[in-house]
Amino acid sequence: SYVLTQPPSVSVAPGQTARVTCGGANIGSKSVHWYQARPGQAPVVVVYDDSARPSGIPERFSGSNSGNTATLSISRVEAGDEADYYCQVWDSTTEVKVFGTGTKVTVL
Amino acid sequence: QVQLVQSGAEVKRPGASVRVSCKASGYTFTTYGLSWVRQAPGQGLEWMGWISAFNGNTLYAQNVQGRVTMTRDTSTSTAYMELRSLRSDDTAVYYCARESVGSSSYYFRHWGQGTLVTVSS
Repeated sequence: SYVLTQPPSVSVAPGQTARVTCGGANIGSKSVHWYQARPGQAPVVVVYDDSARPSGIPERFSGSNSGNTATLSISRVEAGDEADYYCQVWDSTTEVKVFGTGTKVTVL
Repeated sequence: QVQLVQSGAEVKRPGASVRVSCKASGYTFTTYGLSWVRQAPGQGLEWMGWISAFNGNTLYAQNVQGRVTMTRDTSTSTAYMELRSLRSDDTAVYYCARESVGSSSYYFRHWGQGTLVTVSS
């Protein structure tokens, strides 16, 4: 089955840029979606189709995808961005949806 | 607006079964598929499977295949997830999530509020 690997944690100072990576075999050929998950709340999609933002999501959230790595970038990080972030793809071969292992973003 | 409202928390004994419901509103129910995703305490998101609200076709993740059944009732716009032979490691928050269609993929724009299922003797 398709595996998505994320770093367990990323720490960033307020105002700086956080980058969360998502590694998978030839992930650049797939569309990658990113979710923000806070304790006690349902996940929220912050980026879909590699780099598109749903309405209501700040422009500070952006994404890229190439080769074997997709990246979620959060610029001008705020305390409210502290959460777990998950990447997700749809494996067209098996039609299953796959989530990454998750990354805890900590704002210092 | 799209809403997915799930049933309430459940406490079950090991070996029992649980059924969680997800009532949809704000869109044409049969147009979009629904997935079930769970998150065990301190763990990540785990996709469990998918059901077509149009024709009831299903696809289950390997790790729950054989223990899970997903169904839907189009007359009430409600999807159901039943998990059998519960174990302690099935303790988790269970979410239903409606698919949104991207450029060449599926993602989850709309989620239910989550249902905590606790398996304990």
